[in-house]
Amino acid sequence: LAKTTQPISMDSYEGQEVNITCSHNNIATNDYITWYQQFPSQGPRFIIQGYKTKVTNEVASLFIPADRKSSTLSLPRVSLSDTAVYYCLVGGDTGRRALTFGSGTRLQVQP
Amino acid sequence: GAGVSQSPSNKVTEKGKDVELRCDPISGHTALYWYRQRLGQGLEFLIYFQGNSAPDKSGLPSDRFSAERTGESVSTLTIQRTQQEDSAVYLCASSPVPGLAGGSYNEQFFGPGTRLTVL
Repeated sequence: LAKTTQPISMDSYEGQEVNITCSHNNIATNDYITWYQQFPSQGPRFIIQGYKTKVTNEVASLFIPADRKSSTLSLPRVSLSDTAVYYCLVGGDTGRRALTFGSGTRLQVQP
Repeated sequence: GAGVSQSPSNKVTEKGKDVELRCDPISGHTALYWYRQRLGQGLEFLIYFQGNSAPDKSGLPSDRFSAERTGESVSTLTIQRTQQEDSAVYLCASSPVPGLAGGSYNEQFFGPGTRLTVL
């Protein structure tokens, strides 16, 4: 399973765009890149997933360069309710299927 | 629709006692997972079920931990002779059939967790 590296914490203010970058140098050809969000006292929640280039949904955008060795989760105009831990994961649809979570990035949004 | 539910939400026990944690996955989800999360840490994989079989138990930390799943539905995680280091939030997740489902691969749906405190 590919190892991921992401910042331990980030701070932002309401209304700003937040970009969280994750490194995954050993990503395999069949690996997808997935981001989860976890609020305090809750289980993680799927945010977005991509394989290459750019993916956008109603919550976030995911930017993946051509070499796929990193990815950037972009949260537009964050609010206080976006304060959470964000996990970057890589893995394919075969094999064990358990997710390998690192320590994630703790995002704190200030008013 | 109903999500993944877990019970109890909180459990306080004394060292040496046995505990059972329950997970009710989303109906129709064939895969079920147990994770453990210590305070301020990421999630630690424990065990994975496909149907009622557990092809991967590699994350169980010791033989005091066991899990079963029946009827391709509810799962129970049992911890025998609990120790203080077992204190954590135990999270259950379920996933639909393997492969691309709803536009995403291996998306897992998590329950709220059971907070276990061993005194």
